Amino acid sequence: EVQLQESGPGLVKPSQSLSLTCSVTGYSITSNYWGWIRKFPGNKMEWMGYISYSGSTSYNPSLKSRISITRDTSKNQFFLQLNSVTTEDTATYYCARYLTTRVLAYWGQGTLVTVSS
Amino acid sequence: DIVMTQSPSSLAVSAGETVTINCKSSQSLLSSGNQKNYLAWYQQKPGQSPKLLIYLASTRESGVPDRFIGSGSGTDFTLTISSVQAEDLADYYCQQHYSYPTFGGGTKLELK
Repeated sequence: EVQLQESGPGLVKPSQSLSLTCSVTGYSITSNYWGWIRKFPGNKMEWMGYISYSGSTSYNPSLKSRISITRDTSKNQFFLQLNSVTTEDTATYYCARYLTTRVLAYWGQGTLVTVSS
Repeated sequence: DIVMTQSPSSLAVSAGETVTINCKSSQSLLSSGNQKNYLAWYQQKPGQSPKLLIYLASTRESGVPDRFIGSGSGTDFTLTISSVQAEDLADYYCQQHYSYPTFGGGTKLELK
């Protein structure tokens, strides 16, 4: 059974970079597509981007200048980096595996990241 | 962006009732190539991550009870939950998977 677990700092200062790790067990990240999604206070959800089985990436246009998704296949992990964060980036961040085209079937438990000085 | 609009934002129900949640997209989610509608529904309970219920507008994910029914086409979609049970109390989100994913604002299902 595939399982995903997010990890990373829960507090980031404005203007710094947010870095999160998604550790995957039970399934190889060299198959399928793997995404990051966030849920803001107030419940709005936003798809951030994905990394594919081959390492190609696609990002939400609204984040394209600030986001990077990378991976380490030897550790079966993929990563999110979001640069120049502001308080508006405060959210619960989820990693997920796609089921089929742009459908997210397996989610991590989520990690709350607060941007505050 | 394809904008997704859900209604109502909250709904109070009694156990055993049938409920309907609506989702409208700012452009058609119907693919002319395969005649499939690219709309998914998720359930999120407090403290848990979202759970996929339905995709391609009406295809139930494995293990999802058949009281969850997705319908609609084009720009208008519905999630129907027949005979609501206490375990169904949660937030529900629609998401289009026609282009890069965008989500509706959510519907909170509460106990009356």
